[in-house]
Amino acid sequence: GQQVMQIPQYQHVQEGEDFTTYCNSSTTLSNIQWYKQRPGGHPVFLIQLVKSGEVKKQKRLTFQFGEAKKNSSLHITATQTTDVGTYFCAGLDAGNNRKLIWGLGTSLAVNP
Amino acid sequence: DVKVTQSSRYLVKRTGEKVFLECVQDMDHENMFWYRQDPGLGLRLIYFSYDVKMKEKGDIPEGYSVSREKKERFSLILESASTNQTSMYLCASRRGQLNTEAFFGQGTRLTVV
Repeated sequence: GQQVMQIPQYQHVQEGEDFTTYCNSSTTLSNIQWYKQRPGGHPVFLIQLVKSGEVKKQKRLTFQFGEAKKNSSLHITATQTTDVGTYFCAGLDAGNNRKLIWGLGTSLAVNP
Repeated sequence: DVKVTQSSRYLVKRTGEKVFLECVQDMDHENMFWYRQDPGLGLRLIYFSYDVKMKEKGDIPEGYSVSREKKERFSLILESASTNQTSMYLCASRRGQLNTEAFFGQGTRLTVV
């Protein structure tokens, strides 16, 4: 079945360092969404990318969607302790557009 | 603001009990989902529903059933709870159009003893 692989599983950084998480799909995606889950919380939507090669920015966060619409990345510049949490990517299943296919998430820890 | 509300934040049940987890959303979303979340395993889809009385199995439906009698409410049923169903259960809803985001409830931490 369709899968979305996400790496790394865990990342520890010093505050101020950059952070990147990557998602790769076995098939072409209709879109890719990114969510953040704070410790003890629930996933909260960050952004959606739809177009091939699309790049979007939210303050220190940069999101990219690959040209083939099979991979995506989230890059955080100069991490802060408020960035702590698990970041998930989720792609829309091209065969069943009701169902998001989720990556396993990347847990980010930031040392102050 | 969209609100997805799960009936319980924490639940402790005994092995063999029938357990009902309730989820209500207030934004008239067509799609509703039940996930379980376990450390290192991400979000695994149990069941989803795209309309009233409609349901589809997700990746791990065994031991679970669902009910959607009204558009705003989606119930997850553990027919006979077992200890391996101890987990965090997350409900989500999403509009039926193609490029829409999912909204999650706060989660129910279920412990089966």
